[in-house]
Amino acid sequence: SQQGEEDPQALSIQEGENATMNCSYKTSINNLQWYRQNSGRGLVHLILIRSNEREKHSGRLRVTLDTSKKSSSLLITASRAADTASYFCATVYGGATNKLIFGTGTLLAVQP
Amino acid sequence: GAVVSQHPSRVICKSGTSVKIECRSLDFQATTMFWYRQFPKQSLMLMATSNEGSKATYEQGVEKDKFLINHASLTLSTLTVTSAHPEDSSFYICSASRGGAVTGELFFGEGSRLTVL
Repeated sequence: SQQGEEDPQALSIQEGENATMNCSYKTSINNLQWYRQNSGRGLVHLILIRSNEREKHSGRLRVTLDTSKKSSSLLITASRAADTASYFCATVYGGATNKLIFGTGTLLAVQP
Repeated sequence: GAVVSQHPSRVICKSGTSVKIECRSLDFQATTMFWYRQFPKQSLMLMATSNEGSKATYEQGVEKDKFLINHASLTLSTLTVTSAHPEDSSFYICSASRGGAVTGELFFGEGSRLTVL
C-alpha cells in the first residue's frame, strides 16, 4: 500500500498550545498536501508543499517537508477549540499516476 | 475556493437495492474526479478515478461491477452502489481537480453516508 502514516493517531491539547502532527510516506512524491476534516464532513484543503520546498506557512499553519526522510510535519500554533478535527496528509505520486493518497490521519482535540 | 456538491448527503436503503450518488463541480469543469470511501475513524481510501468520457480506473480490490461510475459530463460524476449489502455501509466522498491531473489541491464534496439495512 502506498498509504502514508501519521502520528500521533490522536492528540489532545489545551487552547493556546501548539499542535504538531507528523506524516511519513513511502515513495517519491510530486507534492504533499494537508487536509482537515470535521466529523462527518468533507475535506478542506489547508496547504500544499511541493517536493522542492522545505517549509511553508499559511496563517497559524506551518508545514515542513523532508524528502530525505520521506516525512512532513504540520504545526498549528496558538490552537483554538475550533481547530478540533481530523487532519490528513496526502501525497501525489509521480509517474503514470496522479492520484492523491491519504495518510492514516490525526484526530486533534483542543480543549477550551 | 471551488465548490463540489455531493448528493444525497444521507441515504438509507434496503439490502439488495441500488443507490446512486452524484458529484457535481459547480463552478469549474472537472475532467477528473475521484471517489473515496471512509469507514468510521479511518482514513479515506481511494476507490476509483473517474475520467470524463472514458471508463473509470478502479483501485485494486474495488469491484467495478459493484461500484459503477459514470462521468458523462465535465461537471458530473455518479457512483452507483449496485445490490447494496450492509457491508457497503460507509461514508463516500467525491473530489474533483481542475484540469486533468492532480497537480494541485482537490476540492471535496460533503460526503454521502450510506446505510444499508
